[in-house]
Amino acid sequence: GAVVSQHPSRVICKSGTSVKIECRSLDFQATTMFWYRQFPKQSLMLMATSNEGSKATYEQGVEKDKFLINHASLTLSTLTVTSAHPEDSSFYICSAPVAGGTDTQYFGPGTRLTVL
Amino acid sequence: QKEVEQNSGPLSVPEGAIASLNCTYSDRGSQSFFWYRQYSGKSPELIMFIYSNGDKEDGRFTAQLNKASQYVSLLIRDSQPSDSATYLCAVSLNQAGTALIFGKGTTLSVSS
Repeated sequence: GAVVSQHPSRVICKSGTSVKIECRSLDFQATTMFWYRQFPKQSLMLMATSNEGSKATYEQGVEKDKFLINHASLTLSTLTVTSAHPEDSSFYICSAPVAGGTDTQYFGPGTRLTVL
Repeated sequence: QKEVEQNSGPLSVPEGAIASLNCTYSDRGSQSFFWYRQYSGKSPELIMFIYSNGDKEDGRFTAQLNKASQYVSLLIRDSQPSDSATYLCAVSLNQAGTALIFGKGTTLSVSS
């Protein structure tokens, strides 16, 4: 299957700092990528849709000024958690659909964020 | 509101048995259906997708789709302890740029 990578896999930061998470499609181009967040023992929650060349679309309740998304190229989307606080500690996962109309999405391995 | 419903479980089956996971969806416009497996602390991994009514088999896995009943299921034959995970059902409207809608997942536990 298609490969999606994320970096870093794990990050620990102090409260008030900003953290950037990268999501890359390694063997295909993705005009759209999706960012999810998952708290322990809960389901995936869609945060935003990242669109190459245009603004991201955020889900209701997700602060766009706090979670900055930049889809810089057809293979890279970044999520920056600005002024992170302990409640932002979560598992952040990106996904990308494979072009061709199948809608099949492949997930990156996820980034575990811990804010102290 | 588009919804995907799954029994959270846990569903417990003995090793070698058939595990049956069920999912219903609310939007009749849904076109594509997916099953993902997620191990604790890991991201979801695609197991199967199905578009047409009926059964689709891949190894020990069989996906079943009934669009009239808005129901999709996943059967796991000869269940192994390594199959113990949370199984996520997801549906798509097949519209470009539209995210999948996920159920909350069913936790499967296979005992040896």
